[in-house]
Amino acid sequence: EPEVTQTPSHQVTQMGQEVILRCVPISNHLYFYWYRQILGQKVEFLVSFYNNEISEKSEIFDDQFSVERPDGSNFTLKIRSTKLEDSAMYFCASSRDVSSGANVLTFGAGSRLTVL
Amino acid sequence: SQQGEEDPQALSIQEGENATMNCSYKTSINNLQWYRQNSGRGLVHLILIRSNEREKHSGRLRVTLDTSKKSSSLLITASRAADTASYFCATDKGSYIPTFGRGTSLIVHP
Repeated sequence: EPEVTQTPSHQVTQMGQEVILRCVPISNHLYFYWYRQILGQKVEFLVSFYNNEISEKSEIFDDQFSVERPDGSNFTLKIRSTKLEDSAMYFCASSRDVSSGANVLTFGAGSRLTVL
Repeated sequence: SQQGEEDPQALSIQEGENATMNCSYKTSINNLQWYRQNSGRGLVHLILIRSNEREKHSGRLRVTLDTSKKSSSLLITASRAADTASYFCATDKGSYIPTFGRGTSLIVHP
């Protein structure tokens, strides 16, 4: 069964360092997402990406964050200068389309980011 | 925000019992979905119910939606130890981007 893959599974970084989290969405999916989950809390939407551009972003997704689809398969999330409060599990997700009026997401296993 | 809020936060039952989780939301929605998350893993889609539907079934899962009360329930019948996980409801509106709540942590004791 197709799956979304994320790397690394766990990254530890120092405050102020740049971090890039990588995702390979399902190949025939058109919509890509990043969510994050601080330990024990809700899953929060960060950004959605369609047709090589950001389609929607939340208040969390400030200038420290950026996303890119550098080639036909990878989808990356960059945090330019990490803060302690960026420590969380980051989930990549993808979906095929929304033309049916429903949007079912397939999630990756997540990348745990620990900022020291 | 139309995000759902699950209730209870935690639920502990014995294998074979039924588990019921509820979700309430604030604004009108297009769809409501339930996802499951095993500890330390990603979310897995379970079932989607559209705003014009009232009930859906999938195996041991039964979902209801009451748009007048802005609430949904997920019933897992004849629970198994393997059902132990966190369960999230997610609602979407215009952009169809699911917005998640805090989840219900379900523990099924063998």
